[in-house]
Amino acid sequence: DTAVSQTPKYLVTQMGNDKSIKCEQNLGHDTMYWYKQDSKKFLKIMFSYNNKELIINETVPNRFSPKSPDKAHLNLHINSLELGDSAVYFCASSPWGQGEKKTQYFGPGTRLLVL
Amino acid sequence: GQQVMQIPQYQHVQEGEDFTTYCNSSTTLSNIQWYKQRPGGHPVFLIQLVKSGEVKKQKRLTFQFGEAKKNSSLHITATQTTDVGTYFCAGNTGKLIFGQGTTLQVKP
Repeated sequence: DTAVSQTPKYLVTQMGNDKSIKCEQNLGHDTMYWYKQDSKKFLKIMFSYNNKELIINETVPNRFSPKSPDKAHLNLHINSLELGDSAVYFCASSPWGQGEKKTQYFGPGTRLLVL
Repeated sequence: GQQVMQIPQYQHVQEGEDFTTYCNSSTTLSNIQWYKQRPGGHPVFLIQLVKSGEVKKQKRLTFQFGEAKKNSSLHITATQTTDVGTYFCAGNTGKLIFGQGTTLQVKP
């Protein structure tokens, strides 16, 4: 049973298109995240939701819009894709709270290539 | 803003050699976590350090948290090819801030 799952695993698309990535976790965690990992492996947080409420919104273009229909799901919609959006996008979840409970459980990643 | 710096960015070692990656924060951390990402994989939690000066071991891996809770290190003794991957520290200041990662390559 996969704890944090993402679909699709690979996404190849043309510049200007709109695409969505879906994430689901079955760990019962309250908090979910989206990270972007570039070609240099740098892992940058984009968004964080706690119980469907946005709590972290880093400096991300407003072409990126997260949506959390319930606390087990966090989707990412990207409008007007650009070449620079090519990266691996990781979803993660963690329990709410400090200390040990902040351990992040990552999904397998979505490899996005914009042509 | 808050930053977590990690060095080196890359390290190539011969199998059997030791390896160390260092992590430094611009602010005092409540705790620090370490993750490993295998090539093509996703980050996986290794360990968390909470107390000032804490040292934890996992087989050949030794993790240290500095006295001022601003720096940390991961040391691998006698590397093996299975240690290949990128090691990330993540400092907790209320939100988790990841270091840039150290990518380890091990030559057999």
